[in-house]
Amino acid sequence: DIVMTQSPLSLPVTPGEPASISCRSSQTLLHRNGYHYLDWYLQKPGQTPQLLIYLASNRASGVPDRFSGSGSGTDFTLKISRVETEDVGVYYCMQTLQTPPYTFGQGTKLEIK
Amino acid sequence: QVQLVQSGGGVVQPGRSLRLTCAASGFTFNEYGMHWVRQAPGKGLEWVATIWFDGSKKYYADSVRGRFIVSRDDSQASLYLQMNSLRAEDTAVYYCARITTNWFDPWGQGALVTVSS
Repeated sequence: DIVMTQSPLSLPVTPGEPASISCRSSQTLLHRNGYHYLDWYLQKPGQTPQLLIYLASNRASGVPDRFSGSGSGTDFTLKISRVETEDVGVYYCMQTLQTPPYTFGQGTKLEIK
Repeated sequence: QVQLVQSGGGVVQPGRSLRLTCAASGFTFNEYGMHWVRQAPGKGLEWVATIWFDGSKKYYADSVRGRFIVSRDDSQASLYLQMNSLRAEDTAVYYCARITTNWFDPWGQGALVTVSS
């Protein structure tokens, strides 16, 4: 099984400042079609998870452009250019290359300083 | 709009059974595979089961294989998770989610399952 490891697990951020979350996989997530099968989800407090980024770098519909995804191979990053208070929650990366099982990272809790 | 509405959660004794339902609307249900994902209290997300768009393939996490059964009724646009031989460690919020190309979108609102005597 592919193991997903996120860091940091807790991320206090001042509004208006940037934030970055790392996600590493135990095996490459590069598909033969050239895409990386890595997605990012945000679970806001008391809410259901929502898709932010798919295939490593594509923003889902309605996601603000302050969110961006990057990376390749086994190392991926989610960046928020300027954090807003509505961005608080737990961010998860997930791989869909080698399934089953689909595997998630442990989650990174973003909070406002 | 695309919507997944869940029902069927509750409190159940260890060893008993429970069935969750996920009712889909706003899209052609029989064209999409579906997942179940769970989240134990204060914990992260754990994939539980997947069923293909035509029901031809089903996959399960090791932790539930042999006890849980995923199924679908396209005439009702509904997804089901039959949970048997429930254990305390199955206590969690269970989410259904649609397979959109390869990612999970959207998700249902969740259903809390508590296994306790």
